[in-house]
Order: sequence, then structure tokens, then C-alpha cells
Amino acid sequence: KNEVEQSPQNLTAQEGEFITINCSYSVGISALHWLQQHPGGGIVSLFMLSSGKKKHGRLIATINIQEKHSSLHITASHPRDSAVYICAVRPSGSARQLTFGSGTQLTVLP
Amino acid sequence: DSGVTQTPKHLITATGQRVTLRCSPRSGDLSVYWYQQSLDQGLQFLIQYYNGEERAKGNILERFSAQQFPDLHSELNLSSLELGDSALYFCASSVTYGVGEQYFGPGTRLTVT
Repeated sequence: KNEVEQSPQNLTAQEGEFITINCSYSVGISALHWLQQHPGGGIVSLFMLSSGKKKHGRLIATINIQEKHSSLHITASHPRDSAVYICAVRPSGSARQLTFGSGTQLTVLP
Repeated sequence: DSGVTQTPKHLITATGQRVTLRCSPRSGDLSVYWYQQSLDQGLQFLIQYYNGEERAKGNILERFSAQQFPDLHSELNLSSLELGDSALYFCASSVTYGVGEQYFGPGTRLTVT
């Protein structure tokens, strides 16, 4: 079993829809990252969380440390949000570095 | 633009060859991370340097090595290349070696034929 599981693997939505991508992990962590990978391959860091909730524009990320679960929400989705969204965790208590989920391919149709 | 630069953008080479990928971190960042993204394995951490010293090692093959120079740029050397080494190689940088935001470069796409 992977340490980081994302769901769904693929998601197609209509423009304007509210989108949720989920990430579950099985280890204690010091931080969780949400990344966006554009069709051209470039990676952008969206959020780094260790507790609670963060908001940036139409994006909201939440984390529940006790349940080992995080969600990324996109409000009023737009075709330009189409990308792969990747969850990554940094396990706590060691020099271990980021462990990545397999990503969620999001397609937003006009 | 993250401020992290990587060269070259694309690299095509033959099996058995050796290549060097280069990364310049954001101004002020002391940590450099190297990641490999392949179709079958996804994103994997390879190695981290902080202020010239190796800080953490991940799933890096013995055929691969890296270093960080006094001016903080880093190079990833891949030798005895195999078809399976074809992947996107990303560099990222951060201010510290611990928990912190990482800023990713645009990647180098390596194709081994």
C-alpha cells in the first residue's frame, strides 16, 4: 500500500463546478504539500499545510491530522484549472523527504 | 516563474552515455532537491543538498550522483544510462533544509534511446 493515496485518479467537471480532490496518508507527518502540474510539465507549489485550512483565491486546502486526510477544493472551476494535482507528505521524525501521491488528473470543460 | 532555473530543457542521448543536469536555486535558497518523474514510478525524491553538503538521500541509483557548488548551483550526473532512466528530472529549492515551501524548476526531460 502506498503511503500517500489520492482520489479520484481522474476527474472531469463542467466549468463553474465545485471540485474536491482527496489525499490520505498512512504515516505521521510534519507537513503536507499540494502541487499543481501543468500540461507542459511544470510544477507549482499551491499549499504547504501542517494543520487547519489555507485559502488562496479559488483554492482551499484543509488537513485533518488525526484522520490523516487532506482535501483540495476548487470553487467556480475554470478550464485553466485543468492540470494534475499532486499531494505530497513529509514524514515526521526523520530526514525523510517528500513522498508523493500518484496525482489527480483534472479536466474542466467549458 | 519560480526563480529556479534548470538546463537543458530537453536532452536526448543513447544508452550507456553520461549526462549532467544543472540547477540554479532561487536567490537566497540554500537547499536544493532533485526529483525524478517517470511514467511508471511517478515523482520520487532523489537527493537533497544544503549549503554544499548532502543532507538526505532517497531512491537514487548508484549510477547517479549530485553535488552542490559554492555558488549554490547543483548538478545531477547520470551515467551508464538505461532506457528506464528516461524521465522528467526536477530540481527544487528552499530556504532551509527542514520543513518549508519548495519552489520547483521547469524540469529537464531526458530521453534515452
